[in-house]
Amino acid sequence: DTEVTQTPKHLVMGMTNKKSLKCEQHMGHRAMYWYKQKAKKPPELMFVYSYEKLSINESVPSRFSPECPNSSLLNLHLHALQPEDSALYLCASSQVVRDRGSSEQFFGPGTRLTVL
Amino acid sequence: DAKTTQPNSMESNEEEPVHLPCNHSTISGTDYIHWYRQLPSQGPEYVIHGLTSNVNNRMASLAIAEDRKSSTLILHRATLRDAAVYYCILGGVPRLTFGEGTQLTVNP
Repeated sequence: DTEVTQTPKHLVMGMTNKKSLKCEQHMGHRAMYWYKQKAKKPPELMFVYSYEKLSINESVPSRFSPECPNSSLLNLHLHALQPEDSALYLCASSQVVRDRGSSEQFFGPGTRLTVL
Repeated sequence: DAKTTQPNSMESNEEEPVHLPCNHSTISGTDYIHWYRQLPSQGPEYVIHGLTSNVNNRMASLAIAEDRKSSTLILHRATLRDAAVYYCILGGVPRLTFGEGTQLTVNP
């Protein structure tokens, strides 16, 4: 199984709502990632989890709150978002590598988020 | 992080080879060169990566210049399914910094 699944596929929320994005993989990967992709732009890294611990936060606003409850699941909790947060949110996973080595990242199809 | 430069767009005909260039003159000695592609309405997909030597896999070949300041992704026979944005990325996992990429159009 080389698939990363993300739910929901689409999400529309108001600025006062609280919602969560979910990501799951069963490849035994111990590194998981959240990316944000605006229309016609490349993905931008938001968070990295390594062995279920947050290892990288790319200065993301606190209205985005990641959570890694176990080695297969990754959540992104959303609260008080702004319309400019509307984007495609991508989850990815990979093996953990040492130093600046390399390992293939497997991406999910993303959640298309619209903030009204 | 080192920066990559790619053409905004390229066109190819079906069943012809495609050479997608990437310049990375500020690459460091430990930076891997990665290529990912993103088909419409999908997440990025790994294509190939290398450090110093040319690499081949079932999807493509990666030719790396001797000074490592440039590289070329080679699709040997383009198909309509290869139409995508191709990203050349330097560095290593976990931090992949995507550049703007090249939009590849494949004509029937």
